[in-house]
Amino acid sequence: QQQVKQSPQSLIVQKGGISIINCAYENTAFDYFPWYQQFPGKGPALLIAIRPDVSEKKEGRFTISFNKSAKQFSLHIMDSQPGDSATYFCAASSLMDSNYQLIWGAGTKLIIKP
Amino acid sequence: GAGVSQSPSNKVTEKGKDVELRCDPISGHTALYWYRQSLGQGLEFLIYFQGNSAPDKSGLPSDRFSAERTGGSVSTLTIQRTQQEDSAVYLCASSFGGGTYEQYFGPGTRLTVT
Repeated sequence: QQQVKQSPQSLIVQKGGISIINCAYENTAFDYFPWYQQFPGKGPALLIAIRPDVSEKKEGRFTISFNKSAKQFSLHIMDSQPGDSATYFCAASSLMDSNYQLIWGAGTKLIIKP
Repeated sequence: GAGVSQSPSNKVTEKGKDVELRCDPISGHTALYWYRQSLGQGLEFLIYFQGNSAPDKSGLPSDRFSAERTGGSVSTLTIQRTQQEDSAVYLCASSFGGGTYEQYFGPGTRLTVT
């Protein structure tokens, strides 16, 4: 009920291509879905987040697509660059939860080939 | 301004010893989280502090783990009688509050129990 399933585990994309990472959740109470980016030796950093009242959110080259009925959301990175090579985590939480606990996916290691 | 800092950055300890991990949150942030990140895994919630309220300890894996936050600022995570399965990166995050407020992460402490 609490899990967030993320795929793929790893992804290799050519420079300029589109990187797509998918997440699925089960808990219908989740209403906040952030994506975090983590570089080696660093803590995760918030990249982009979405609430379920919209189906898509775009910030620069990064887009979240959200499908409430399917309980799925995905991150699209357009025109992928070598500097985007990092591990990406999706997460979900319920804003009704007293601790706003983020439930995390297992992560996707993205490599952009120059 | 300064971000979240954690110390030490690396800690190697012998099985059975106690360890203390420190987190200095961003000034003014009332919420503080501890997470554990095992190799190739997502982040596992450990504990949440919000202001002067009693902490949410629901994620602590055993009674060997404890945490405190002094003066609403610095936090210390203590692991007693360490076990090899405690080996992981321990991440601290702070935010202005719960909900959709962005969590800012420190670089983590890599704990290795030999």
